[in-house]
Amino acid sequence: DTGVSQDPRHKITKRGQNVTFRCDPISEHNRLYWYRQTLGQGPEFLTYFQNEAQLEKSRLLSDRFSAERPKGSFSTLEIQRTEQGDSAMYLCASSLGGPNNEQFFGPGTRLTVL
Amino acid sequence: AQSVTQLDSQVPVFEEAPVELRCNYSSSVSVYLFWYVQYPNQGLQLLLKYLSGSTLVKGINGFEAEFNKSQTSFHLRKPSVHISDTAEYFCAVTLPMDSSYKLIFGSGTRLLVRP
Repeated sequence: DTGVSQDPRHKITKRGQNVTFRCDPISEHNRLYWYRQTLGQGPEFLTYFQNEAQLEKSRLLSDRFSAERPKGSFSTLEIQRTEQGDSAMYLCASSLGGPNNEQFFGPGTRLTVL
Repeated sequence: AQSVTQLDSQVPVFEEAPVELRCNYSSSVSVYLFWYVQYPNQGLQLLLKYLSGSTLVKGINGFEAEFNKSQTSFHLRKPSVHISDTAEYFCAVTLPMDSSYKLIFGSGTRLLVRP
């Protein structure tokens, strides 16, 4: 399967703990996006990378959140000092860039903060 | 700022009946428009997109959508639905002028197909 993969699929943590999610994009895709989806809502943009450069961050991405994409391949999203409001589905997508190029989404990581 | 409105949170319909899922957007500039489908425990999958040209766009699985600039709408239609079409459907826009091409999604419509 050459689609976008995310790990883990589910994460349960206690408030105040740090968590890290991983996304492996489609190998030839130079763009990688992170979105967050809360219950009953559509996905909301968090940040994106062009190769290894993080080019834009949403205001939703507080300073407790950090994302990296070393070497322009996989990406990690870390949340420090988790809060109950961080509970959501975190989606990763990759593309070749440009509106003509479809964003392919992974299955998501569901985070539950107790 | 751009926004997408999907007024119907859930649409129940009987199998083989036609369906229309409504999407309206707000933008002072031109946009590109998309419909995605999300099946349980799966990632979002692109159904169709409108970038330019013909306002009637055909997508996968027998779905089509029509771009109406004056109504700022991009409603999704299917003439005859199947049980397997039961899923969450999201309308989204992106700005051609925004080099990020990030997607701005509506809140989704759950299509529930009953036998």
